[in-house]
Amino acid sequence: DTGVSQDPRHKITKRGQNVTFRCDPISEHNRLYWYRQTLGQGPEFLTYFQNEAQLEKSRLLSDRFSAERPKGSFSTLEIQRTEQGDSAMYLCASSHSVTSGELFFGEGSRLTVL
Amino acid sequence: QQQVKQSPQSLIVQKGGISIINCAYENTAFDYFPWYQQFPGKGPALLIAIRPDVSEKKEGRFTISFNKSAKQFSLHIMDSQPGDSATYFCAASWTKGGGNKLTFGTGTQLKVEL
Repeated sequence: DTGVSQDPRHKITKRGQNVTFRCDPISEHNRLYWYRQTLGQGPEFLTYFQNEAQLEKSRLLSDRFSAERPKGSFSTLEIQRTEQGDSAMYLCASSHSVTSGELFFGEGSRLTVL
Repeated sequence: QQQVKQSPQSLIVQKGGISIINCAYENTAFDYFPWYQQFPGKGPALLIAIRPDVSEKKEGRFTISFNKSAKQFSLHIMDSQPGDSATYFCAASWTKGGGNKLTFGTGTQLKVEL
């Protein structure tokens, strides 16, 4: 049984470039979450999907951020026109809506914007 | 608005000692309280979780104590080991209507010394 996988694990980009992260959840999980974590802080909620529907977006998710889960399986998080303040670890998690609330996290995608 | 407050920020414990980390929450709708362990460069991993219908839950060396009236919960690590050195996050969610969206504390960096 594979866990949540994220790709790429590390991304270095220049300010103004676009970046995209991919998350593959645990196969039977219908909920998928994106979180952002900066150094020394706890993960902050960005958005979540139930199947292919995006049910909630945080105020942290500016217009430059877009997330999709087109077929209710993998998800992508795109950041357009990156800024230095976007440098963070982007974490993906998945869960099953019927179970107890347990979220399983991936290893994260670390973004560095120069 | 910080809905989950965690303390201390850092903790040094001798091998074999007890590590205690505390959290307080504000939202009375929260009904699921997990603790996550995170090693550098890795995603958070679920350690133990509790629901408000019980006051204590023990799994091996890890115990959660929960005080619903005070809106506080704590993690106790008995017989702390150097391998327990990591960052610990408390979290809370509203599983019935909040989409299992976790709100995290700011983390406690634990170091267990020989």
